[in-house]
Amino acid sequence: DAGVIQSPRHEVTEMGQEVTLRCKPISGHDYLFWYRQTMMRGLELLIYFNNNVPIDDSGMPEDRFSAKMPNASFSTLKIQPSEPRDSAVYFCASSLGGLAYGYTFGSGTRLTVV
Amino acid sequence: GENVEQHPSTLSVQEGDSAVIKCTYSDSASNYFPWYKQELGKRPQLIIDIRSNVGEKKDQRIAVTLNKTAKHFSLHITETQPEDSAVYFCAASAGNTPLVFGKGTRLSVIA
Repeated sequence: DAGVIQSPRHEVTEMGQEVTLRCKPISGHDYLFWYRQTMMRGLELLIYFNNNVPIDDSGMPEDRFSAKMPNASFSTLKIQPSEPRDSAVYFCASSLGGLAYGYTFGSGTRLTVV
Repeated sequence: GENVEQHPSTLSVQEGDSAVIKCTYSDSASNYFPWYKQELGKRPQLIIDIRSNVGEKKDQRIAVTLNKTAKHFSLHITETQPEDSAVYFCAASAGNTPLVFGKGTRLSVIA
């Protein structure tokens, strides 16, 4: 299994631009999570899906952030418009069977907004 | 909601010594406690986990202990090696809530 695949690995964009991060979970996993990692705030949950349905998006910081999961093998996190404070590493993770099981993380997308 | 506190934030040990990282959680309903290791520039990877029906679990040089009464759990690494240098995260879940992570401990093993 190739694991959780994220793209791009690095993204540098100008303030005000739209950014789209992509994730392919492990085949068969029924939960997908988007986390954001910063030095100050650590790993923060943004949103998670169960069987492609968004369950809890209370961690999404603002309306500028949106996430979709159109099918079991693909999810996107979009930021529009982007701001410098959005600079962080964004991780996608997936798990099988529930919330209280090990999550497998992707390699992350390092986003820099200048 | 759940809150997970992790200490210390940084830890330096001599190679061969033991390292202990401690976490406390706030939600008494939490029943799953994993530990993740994140090397520089890499993804967090699960190294060991424990459920609330078990007090201790070992896997070679690493072990995790859980005290449900005090609501804290710890990671123990024995005979530390340079490759153990990384950031370690604890986390907790009540089963109906996703994992909440501690802020991490940067472990440095000095050869």
